[in-house]
Amino acid sequence: AQKITQTQPGMFVQEKEAVTLDCTYDTSDPSYGLFWYKQPSSGEMIFLIYQGSYDQQNATEGRYSLNFQKARKSANLVISASQLGDSAMYFCAINAGGTSYGKLTFGQGTILTVHP
Amino acid sequence: DAGVIQSPRHEVTEMGQEVTLRCKPISGHNSLFWYRQTMMRGLELLIYFNNNVPIDDSGMPEDRFSAKMPNASFSTLKIQPSEPRDSAVYFCASSLIYEQYFGPGTRLTVT
Repeated sequence: AQKITQTQPGMFVQEKEAVTLDCTYDTSDPSYGLFWYKQPSSGEMIFLIYQGSYDQQNATEGRYSLNFQKARKSANLVISASQLGDSAMYFCAINAGGTSYGKLTFGQGTILTVHP
Repeated sequence: DAGVIQSPRHEVTEMGQEVTLRCKPISGHNSLFWYRQTMMRGLELLIYFNNNVPIDDSGMPEDRFSAKMPNASFSTLKIQPSEPRDSAVYFCASSLIYEQYFGPGTRLTVT
């Protein structure tokens, strides 16, 4: 079974600053993928970034980057130059190989508030 | 391009009634997922299909829940009979390779 732990229920950041949202994971599968999703107050789930377990480099998508530390089993999301529109709930998720491939397991989420 | 489409967006029903949620995945995607989101339990996978075949339904809470995918462009999640504890937001998502793209969700309220 897979597990995601997000230890920060809420985070605050000043506009234009960078912020790191923590995520640790647990899986016994050697092949897995890590994902981050954003859920604004409107409720939709927006895919942000993906990191495969065999990827050598950290994933980046615009202002989002994933700090992947395999030995520590962590996959922190870094948002650079925060904007007011980044205020939302952020979920880390994992899927693993084998018969569970494709099945996403989500963490409890971190609420990010960006202050002007 | 159209994303994942779900209907209805909101559903209010009385306990004991049948509820049917609908989903149209992104064209060309071969996997479809149904999730439920509540404050208490967070996001939970209910069932997922690959090439229209149910692969894992271990998250379906009980026999009152059923899901079908008769073709590559349509899926339903049915609750019969509905109960107040089924109140939640139900998301449908589809994928081709890794990332899953979510629909806007259906907010279900059972009174």
